[in-house]
Amino acid sequence: QVQLQESGPGLLKPSETLSLTCAVSGHSMSSGYYWGWIRQPPGKGLEWIGSIYHSGSTYYNPSLKSRVSISVDTSKNQFSLKVNSVTAADTAVYYCASDGSGNYYISSFDYWGQGTLVTVSS
Amino acid sequence: EIVMTQSPATLSVSPGERATLSCRASQSVSSNLAWYQQKPGQAPRLLIYGASTRATGIPARFSGSGSGTEFTLTISSLQSEDFAVYYCQQYDNWLALTFGGGTKVEIK
Repeated sequence: QVQLQESGPGLLKPSETLSLTCAVSGHSMSSGYYWGWIRQPPGKGLEWIGSIYHSGSTYYNPSLKSRVSISVDTSKNQFSLKVNSVTAADTAVYYCASDGSGNYYISSFDYWGQGTLVTVSS
Repeated sequence: EIVMTQSPATLSVSPGERATLSCRASQSVSSNLAWYQQKPGQAPRLLIYGASTRATGIPARFSGSGSGTEFTLTISSLQSEDFAVYYCQQYDNWLALTFGGGTKVEIK
């Protein structure tokens, strides 16, 4: 069974860069699957940030594309998220997740990390 | 962007009763739709994919139906552990995944 664990700073100042890492266990990332980041502002709904394939191909939410980058390190079995120039609107619980469907396209997310709260405040 | 609209925002149901949740897409998503359950302080859990296929380990009381723009999640007999928020998600446009705003199922 795939297990995911997010890590990274929980408090940022406006204009800083958000950096999170998702450690994956129970599955070798080099074997396949899409891996993604989803966020949820406090008391609100879910927003897909972007996904990466094990090969390194990336796919981003068009509304965030200019500020987001996702990378993968298959040697460490982890993938990472960076969001530049954060504002209070980026305050959210950030989840990493996997799509183990085996489809050639991103579909649904069957395994999720527990989530990590990132607060942006001066 | 495909907009997903869920209704109602809140559904009050008694234990043992049936709950019917709706999800509408702003354009056809074929059967490329998933449903998730989220309890307070927890990550979402995948319930349904392909509009009607239960994910591994999901009880048979959960069922999904629909295609195109109209979808339904039915919980046949609500158990205490089913009170949660439910989200739909489309992946027909998989380069711009979108979620619905959620339906909270609360105890009546």
